[in-house]
Amino acid sequence: DAKTTQPNSMESNEEEPVHLPCNHSTISGTDYIHWYRQLPSQGPEYVIHGLTSNVNNRMASLAIAEDRKSSTLILHRATLRDAAVYYCILRRGGSNYKLTFGKGTLLTVNP
Amino acid sequence: DAGVTQSPTHLIKTRGQQVTLRCSPKSGHDTVSWYQQALGQGPQFIFQYYEEEERQRGNFPDRFSGHQFPNYSSELNVNALLLGDSALYLCASRIQGPPGEQFFGPGTRLTVL
Repeated sequence: DAKTTQPNSMESNEEEPVHLPCNHSTISGTDYIHWYRQLPSQGPEYVIHGLTSNVNNRMASLAIAEDRKSSTLILHRATLRDAAVYYCILRRGGSNYKLTFGKGTLLTVNP
Repeated sequence: DAGVTQSPTHLIKTRGQQVTLRCSPKSGHDTVSWYQQALGQGPQFIFQYYEEEERQRGNFPDRFSGHQFPNYSSELNVNALLLGDSALYLCASRIQGPPGEQFFGPGTRLTVL
């Protein structure tokens, strides 16, 4: 499995945008970029995924570098509820649904 | 829609015992995966079931086994429990097909004494 690298922790203020980076220099052409987050005492929650183009949904935006070796999860206005561990995951295309989690980035949101 | 449900929520066992954990997938989902999450770590993939067969397996010993029933629910069995098996066990479900989100349950916290 291709590996991802994320900062161990980041801090943000409430109602400000947050940019969570992820490096994946060994990504292959069929790897999808997935983001999940895990709130305290809960199971992981899907945030967003993409392949080559930038993606937007109600929760966040995903910006993918042109060479696909890095990506950034963007939370447009952080709330206290966004405090969680954020995981950047590469998932091989096809019927491979295995998610390989790293340690993720612990996001702290200050009021 | 109840989402993914797991039972029990907490469980305490002793070394050498066997345990069975249960998972009901989200309505309409046919594929179930199991993950183990040790304290302070990300979840680790154990295996995935589809059409009542194990389709993929992570790096876990044969002490870990599973089953999927015709109604798509699933069980995870762990034999000969070790102290290191203490973890949060997560179940995730999805629909077989194009890439998309997997829905995770709240997990079962297993403590092995």
